Amino acid sequence: AAGVIQSPRHLIKEKRETATLKCYPIPRHDTVYWYQQGPGQDPQFLISFYEKMQSDKGSIPDRFSAQQFSDYHSELNMSSLELGDSALYFCASSSRGTNTEAFFGQGTRLTVV
Amino acid sequence: AQSVSQHNHHVILSEAASLELGCNYSYGGTVNLFWYVQYPGQHLQLLLKYFSGDPLVKGIKGFEAEFIKSKFSFNLRKPSVQWSDTAEYFCAVNNAGNMLTFGGGTRLMVKP
Repeated sequence: AAGVIQSPRHLIKEKRETATLKCYPIPRHDTVYWYQQGPGQDPQFLISFYEKMQSDKGSIPDRFSAQQFSDYHSELNMSSLELGDSALYFCASSSRGTNTEAFFGQGTRLTVV
Repeated sequence: AQSVSQHNHHVILSEAASLELGCNYSYGGTVNLFWYVQYPGQHLQLLLKYFSGDPLVKGIKGFEAEFIKSKFSFNLRKPSVQWSDTAEYFCAVNNAGNMLTFGGGTRLMVKP
């Protein structure tokens, strides 16, 4: 079965650079979530999209932005990167409605040096 | 706002020991409850979920969890752990379509 695909799997950037992370949800899933998991931390919700519109916003820095495109894939854009942005970034997708679960991608490990 | 707390941050067990990981949540309405496992260097995988019905939920790999509404708890159990269960375990909550809120995680180490 198709799963959530994230790219790239690993990314190394320097401070003050920009990064773009991509997420391809499971086919027919209309909702995408982004989470940030710092070293030894639990996943923290950043932002979510439903039907290409932002639906919830969590602890996402102003330097970050995201969008969901017409094919339902989503991109997380991160600018002016800081050392503290080094983390594992997970995308999850689900089908909106009750009694649904989110399926997670394998994550993008971002290292800022 | 909903929140999730996991009481044990680190648990060390010997193989064949029984496991119980605590999870409590705070949210006044109807919730969906999940346990995820994260093996070292890997992504989150769903162990089990509760939406409604029988409060005792069975998941993969011999795990089960019991939803006790009066205690706002959803504890994870396994009668006999294996070395391969070494991982981090996250309890999570959402309310019908909204984002997941995770607990702080419990890092389980099983000694062979």
